[in-house]
Order: sequence, then structure tokens, then C-alpha cells
Amino acid sequence: NAGVTQTPKFQVLKTGQSMTLQCAQDMNHEYMSWYRQDPGMGLRLIHYSVGAGITDQGEVPNGYNVSRSTTEDFPLRLLSAAPSQTSVYFCASSRGLAGSTDTQYFGPGTRLTVL
Amino acid sequence: AQSVTQPDIHITVSEGASLELRCNYSYGATPYLFWYVQSPGQGLQLLLKYFSGDTLVQGIKGFEAEFKRSQSSFNLRKPSVHWSDAAEYFCAVGDGGGFKTIFGAGTRLFVKA
Repeated sequence: NAGVTQTPKFQVLKTGQSMTLQCAQDMNHEYMSWYRQDPGMGLRLIHYSVGAGITDQGEVPNGYNVSRSTTEDFPLRLLSAAPSQTSVYFCASSRGLAGSTDTQYFGPGTRLTVL
Repeated sequence: AQSVTQPDIHITVSEGASLELRCNYSYGATPYLFWYVQSPGQGLQLLLKYFSGDTLVQGIKGFEAEFKRSQSSFNLRKPSVHWSDAAEYFCAVGDGGGFKTIFGAGTRLFVKA
């Protein structure tokens, strides 16, 4: 049972480039989410999904797209990278809704630098 | 709107000493409250959670937290800190609708020998 996996671990982009951060979970969880972590700001929710085919915006969705074609995978796409998107990105999953009693399981993170 | 405040950006304690990390939340109803720990270079791991019942909650690694409605607080405690407890700790609140968890800014714990 691998839990939540994220690739890549590190990535450097130039301004304007696009890329996809991958996230997968093998726990058959319905709920998945993407957060970014910046110093002194904790974790902020980017997008979340309550099941395959259903996604919604979080606190800071601008500049990011998501889709959920399967229960297992929840990729995060940066359409045109900007230096303000330099951050550490975490994917998380839970059996039920994250704001309820269910435990969220986090991936190891992707450290992204945009030059 | 829900919010979480962790007043201490960082705390240093001696190994073997007791620890209390503060957390205050803003929420109208009975909140779902969480404490997570993040070791360097790692993702977050749930320490404990509260959603109803006994206001003193036991978690993993010897941690406990007490929910105090009158003070809107959910402070994390440990009687004797180990060097391996050095990490960043995040308090969080569920948004009631269940879709989102709001995180505090975190408290970094340093443990000195």
C-alpha cells in the first residue's frame, strides 16, 4: 500500500512554461485535494475533488487546472508558470470529506521553483 | 469565515521538558479540529482530531490536545519532549460543510539537548 504518491519531487521551470504535477492514491479514497505551502502561510487549498469527474476551486485556484478522470489520479496543471507559483505542493486524499472527521493522508510533496 | 491562529512561529524546548503549542480558531458552531505534524522534507501526518465528546483527545506519539470552547482554543501538549519531535506543527479546522480544511500558519518546534 503506497498511500499517496507525487511526482516529481523537485522541478525547476522558466516563466511561461507549463507542466503537470502528478498525484495518485491507492486507498480508493473519493476525496482528493491540492495544497500549496508557503513560508508563514501554512497550507492553502488550490483545488479539490469529491469523486471522479467532480472538481471544485479552493482558496487559491488562479493559474491552476485540475481534472479527475479516475478515482486514483488527480493531476495539477500549471498552464503558464509564474514566479509567484514557486512553492511546495502537497496532494492529499481522504475517504470522505476533508473538513469532516475523516483523516487526510498527504503525499511527500513537490518542490517547484519558477525562474 | 473559519480561521486558525497559531500565535507562536517557533518554540524551543529542552529535551525532556513539557510542551504546549497554542491554537485558536474562529468558527460559529462546534468545529472539527486537527493537529498535523510535518517532519523536514516530509508530508503532513495527522496527530489527533476532535469532533465531539471528551474534550481531551489523545493522539499518536504521546501527544494530547484539549478543546476549550469558552476560549476557542485547541492547544497541543506533550509531557516530555524527545529530540525526534522537532518538526513543524499545524492546527487546522474543518469548514463545517466538510469540503475544506483551513490550516494555521504552523509552529516550528526546536528541541535542544
